[in-house]
Formats: sequence, structure tokens, C-alpha cells
Amino acid sequence: DTGVSQDPRHKITKRGQNVTFRCDPISEHNRLYWYRQTLGQGPEFLTYFQNEAQLEKSRLLSDRFSAERPKGSFSTLEIQRTEQGDSAMYLCASTAGGSADTQYFGPGTRLTVL
Amino acid sequence: AQKITQTQPGMFVQEKEAVTLDCTYDTSDPSYGLFWYKQPSSGEMIFLIYQGSYDQQNATEGRYSLNFQKARKSANLVISASQLGDSAMYFCAMREGQMDSSYKLIFGSGTRLLVRP
Repeated sequence: DTGVSQDPRHKITKRGQNVTFRCDPISEHNRLYWYRQTLGQGPEFLTYFQNEAQLEKSRLLSDRFSAERPKGSFSTLEIQRTEQGDSAMYLCASTAGGSADTQYFGPGTRLTVL
Repeated sequence: AQKITQTQPGMFVQEKEAVTLDCTYDTSDPSYGLFWYKQPSSGEMIFLIYQGSYDQQNATEGRYSLNFQKARKSANLVISASQLGDSAMYFCAMREGQMDSSYKLIFGSGTRLLVRP
């Protein structure tokens, strides 16, 4: 059983460009989460999927951000017209569901916007 | 509102000694879960230990134990016999357990632990 994987691990882009990140959860995990972590802080929740349905979005997720999880498997997070303030580590986590289940995290995608 | 507080930005411990990392939380939900994660410099969040709000005994996982004091709303992580590989950031996190909720995690700001040889 492989863990959560994320691609790419690092992304450097220029301000104004669009970027897309991918997350592959642990197989058969029906819940998938995206978090953002800025330097020196703990991760902050961005959005949550149960299967293919996006059920909750944080106020941090501006209209430049969009996330999808087609077919309830992998997920993508797209940021349009990137800004320097978008520079952060983007973490994906998955769980089988239930209040006692642990969220397992991927290695993260570190985004740098120049 | 839910909140996690970690008051120790950085801690030192001598190799082979025990260390306690502090965590206090605030919630009005009677059902919640508390987690500790380790984040090495590589960036991945590694799950260490979980404590449910209704669990009667403190959780233990190998060298990790969670000192859960419900009345004081604290969930301190104790690492016994510290190893050099324990040097990392440590995050306390909470999840409220309402039915049909997202069960998203709320994280503290972390404690950086440095183990001295």
C-alpha cells in the first residue's frame, strides 16, 4: 500500500502564471484534503472532498483557486494568475473517513512565485 | 472557536533524555480528536499519535505518549529516549467530531525540537 503522493514536489513560477498540482491519495481513501502551509506556520485547511464531491471550502480559497477530484480518485489544485503571496507548501492528505480516522499526508508541493 | 496553542517555538533536549512538548486546545464540541504530527526538513507531515476526547487512557505509540488532561484542555506530547532523528518540527492538531462534518484538522504553530548529541 503506497502512501499519498504529490506532483510536482517543487514548482517555481512567475507571477501571473497558472499552476496545477496533483495529489494521489491512498487507494480506497474516500476523503481527500488540501492544506496550505506558509513558512513558520502550521498547515491551514483549504478544501475537502468526499469521493468526487467538494463539500467544504475555506475562505482562504479565493476565486483564483480551484480544486477537482474527478471520479473520486486523484485530485488537482489549480491556482490561476499566481501572486507572490501564494508561495507556500501545498499539502494533500487522505483518510478512509470517520471521526477517528487519521489523515495521512503526502510530501507536499512547494510553490515559489517570483 | 476551535484553537490550538503551542507556546514553545523551540526546544532543546539531550540525546536519550525525555522531552515534553506542550499543546493546549479550545473547543466547545464534546467530541473531538487530538493529533501530533512530525515534520522533518523534507516537509512531509508524519502522523505520530492520536487521542480521542472520550478515551479514558492516555495514548501511547512506542516512544511517544500523549499526556491528555481534559479538564485543563491540554494534550502534551512526551518523547522518551530522544534520538538525533527526532529533530524536527512537531505540530499538535485538533479535529472536531460532529456528524457530517469535514473532520478537517486545525493545527498549532508548531514546536521545533533539536536533539543534542
